[in-house]
Amino acid sequence: GNSVTQMEGPVTLSEEAFLTINCTYTATGYPSLFWYVQYPGEGLQLLLKATKADDKGSNKGFEATYRKETTSFHLEKGSVQVSDSAVYFCALNTGNAGNMLTFGGGTRLMVKP
Amino acid sequence: GAVVSQHPSRVICKSGTSVKIECRSLDFQATTMFWYRQFPKKSLMLMATSNEGSKATYEQGVEKDKFLINHASLTLSTLTVTSAHPEDSSFYICSARLGIAGFYNEQFFGPGTRLTVL
Repeated sequence: GNSVTQMEGPVTLSEEAFLTINCTYTATGYPSLFWYVQYPGEGLQLLLKATKADDKGSNKGFEATYRKETTSFHLEKGSVQVSDSAVYFCALNTGNAGNMLTFGGGTRLMVKP
Repeated sequence: GAVVSQHPSRVICKSGTSVKIECRSLDFQATTMFWYRQFPKKSLMLMATSNEGSKATYEQGVEKDKFLINHASLTLSTLTVTSAHPEDSSFYICSARLGIAGFYNEQFFGPGTRLTVL
């Protein structure tokens, strides 16, 4: 079956620090990969996505590259801000079973000024 | 575009009562909507997949009679928590998928409903 594994948080960084949140996956077929962000008290927002190997998704300074050889989709940002404090979820779908998303456990990021 | 709303955003109810949560796609038609439950500091757990005009498909371990899902139109799905108990307290999130099933169709998430059962 499909599964997504993320590094456990919380991750605490100072403002302007470099961020990496690791995500690896197992899937049948050729999944699309996603990063979602959840701000306190809110639902999920799509942050970025990649639909095939070697694609790079990017948005708001965040990037992630679909690495088929390592089955990874690590999230990176060169300089985090306090406003980036949130929970980040890595997810995949394979287009099967009604296009269901499989989520990782989430990683809480706390950025201190 | 592709906005999903939920109502209410927060609800507190007494044990034994029923609570209805609405999920609406505001500017698109959603043939499929998904209902998730999120426990504190945990990931999202898919509860059920709701297709317009047909019965919902529930995930293993989710009680159909307790979590009633109705998807009566292409823009509205409802989740009713029947005879709620404190253990049902959680954050419930819906998502909606655009139009025709396809590999790259994206899910758009609602802002969530926090249910507290006293």
